[in-house]
Amino acid sequence: ETGVTQSPTHLIKTRGQQVTLRCSSQSGHNTVSWYQQALGQGPQFIFQYYREEENGRGNFPPRFSGLQFPNYSSELNVNALELDDSALYLCATQSGQGKNTGELFFGEGSRLTVL
Amino acid sequence: AQKVTQAQTEISVVEKEDVTLDCVYETRDTTYYLFWYKQPPSGELVFLIRRNSFDEQNEISGRYSWNFQKSTSSFNFTITASQVVDSAVYFCALSEAQTGTASKLTFGTGTRLQVTL
Repeated sequence: ETGVTQSPTHLIKTRGQQVTLRCSSQSGHNTVSWYQQALGQGPQFIFQYYREEENGRGNFPPRFSGLQFPNYSSELNVNALELDDSALYLCATQSGQGKNTGELFFGEGSRLTVL
Repeated sequence: AQKVTQAQTEISVVEKEDVTLDCVYETRDTTYYLFWYKQPPSGELVFLIRRNSFDEQNEISGRYSWNFQKSTSSFNFTITASQVVDSAVYFCALSEAQTGTASKLTFGTGTRLQVTL
């Protein structure tokens, strides 16, 4: 048990639609990041939030956006869904925001299927 | 650019065998961190170890051991006396320490370990 809860666990959308995925963070973990894991691949970093601001981003287009709330929970929004967006989306939390990467606590993910 | 290579896509062993999972990495940074994570069928990634680039000591934790060799840019993971519960996908990952993005990891493609009776 990592204390990181993601919802929904599974969802199906069609091309062009928009989706919002949610993540609730373990108490005290003020840094949240999101990863995309395509089938058979390793997770790829989407972005990181600290103090409600995005402060690091991977190679993903602007239609991937996020929010972090004062209670450290977070949302990942994806607009104009494409077939290639089908993946497992993982939320990860850690405490602090130093430059040193500590242990990340991952949720079980939200599996998105785009038809 | 950073890169992590896990050349072994899938490994099958019989319970009680020892198994080594290979990881080779590339980075231009002199300060970095290396990780191993386990992903069971439930999906969440479970942290196993973090090693910083200045610490080349090997580490043992129960049946798990890690061999970090900077000269060959490798960070291999050995499970001794494997058990069925070790069946999972294992990921090696790299983080550059000076980016300021604390949770940005570069993952390999993973090695699926199947342990049978």
